[in-house]
Amino acid sequence: AQSVTQLDSQVPVFEEAPVELRCNYSSSVSVYLFWYVQYPNQGLQLLLKYLSGSTLVESINGFEAEFNKSQTSFHLRKPSVHISDTAEYFCAVSDGATDSWGKLQFGAGTQVVVTP
Amino acid sequence: KAGVTQTPRYLIKTRGQQVTLSCSPISGHRSVSWYQQTPGQGLQFLFEYFSETQRNKGNFPGRFSGRQFSNSRSEMNVSTLELGDSALYLCASSRDSVIYGYTFGSGTRLTVV
Repeated sequence: AQSVTQLDSQVPVFEEAPVELRCNYSSSVSVYLFWYVQYPNQGLQLLLKYLSGSTLVESINGFEAEFNKSQTSFHLRKPSVHISDTAEYFCAVSDGATDSWGKLQFGAGTQVVVTP
Repeated sequence: KAGVTQTPRYLIKTRGQQVTLSCSPISGHRSVSWYQQTPGQGLQFLFEYFSETQRNKGNFPGRFSGRQFSNSRSEMNVSTLELGDSALYLCASSRDSVIYGYTFGSGTRLTVV
């Protein structure tokens, strides 16, 4: 079974500074990787996903993540954060096998707190 | 288009009671998954339904059950509620499988007293 480790439980960052959220997963033949964001009292919103192809994936709001197969990592980055980026971020993985139908394995989450 | 709708948003129940939560997926989505989110355990997979059939189940006791209707709407039921069942229950829908991505609802916050 897959497992996901988010190395930082909380990341404080100043507005307009860069941020990196780290995510490592247990190895598998092939994986699908996701980053979700959760704002207070809301559900999860998909930020970006890696299925195959280019190892660098980008979201429409300035986030990007890079799939590194050798290091089994999928770190999330943003070069300049806004106050509105304050939220909890979850890394998730699926190996796409039939016994994984519907199941995403989530990390514990990283709380990003952006201050002026 | 409308997102994933979960009702009710908040619930308070007493230990020993049972509860039913509802989820209406995005139109055209036939896969519905349920997750439990708690501060201690994080996000844990409960089960997944596709075309009225349960395809996958997580490691939860039999008190947790679900079903899906022909219009893809899904319900989950928890019987004999325990204090530890207090959580945010999230529903997610997808066209078919993970490669299409899952869209989550806002959740139902269940408090057991």
